[in-house]
Amino acid sequence: SQKIEQNSEALNIQEGKTATLTCNYTNYSPAYLQWYRQDPGRGPVFLLLIRENEKEKRKERLKVTFDTTLKQSLFHITASQPADSATYLCALDLTGGGNKLTFGTGTQLKVEL
Amino acid sequence: DADVTQTPRNRITKTGKRIMLECSQTKGHDRMYWYRQDPGLGLRLIYYSFDVKDINKGEISDGYSVSRQAQAKFSLSLESAIPNQTALYFCATSRGPGELFFGEGSRLTVL
Repeated sequence: SQKIEQNSEALNIQEGKTATLTCNYTNYSPAYLQWYRQDPGRGPVFLLLIRENEKEKRKERLKVTFDTTLKQSLFHITASQPADSATYLCALDLTGGGNKLTFGTGTQLKVEL
Repeated sequence: DADVTQTPRNRITKTGKRIMLECSQTKGHDRMYWYRQDPGLGLRLIYYSFDVKDINKGEISDGYSVSRQAQAKFSLSLESAIPNQTALYFCATSRGPGELFFGEGSRLTVL
């Protein structure tokens, strides 16, 4: 069956370091992959979308890579700040039907002073 | 004002009661979605609608129904609520394939 895996363990890093989060998927070749940020009790907020023909995408301190051979996306936050502490979700349309997104369970990031 | 508004934000009800969660949007998007979120299970798609006349079941539609009253309004109903429907429910919209815009969520507790 289709599956999206994100590390369920929280990632704790020191302020100023680069945080790297992983999203792995199986059994499908999505046209694009998305990353969202979710704060406790709030709705997810879109961060970045990367298409299958893009190896890398950047937005300010954020960088996403997409390796369709490994079926993996890496999400990087450089020069991390305590305000970056949140849960980060990856999402894919595993059906190919146009935006029926399946979400990973998310990885909680804690940036410490 | 929020672009995607959900009401109520919090609701406690009893088993067997009928509950409606409402969603309205000012973004002018045709596509609307209902997701539920449970700890450890992530967001799961309940129903989605790509236009006013289009309603589709998602991954976990059993026990739920929806109504698309207008382009801007998409309601989720639990005809007879049960405790395992206790969850955080999110409405979302999109213009097409791509970015979803989420509401702030409706926390439902079924006793």
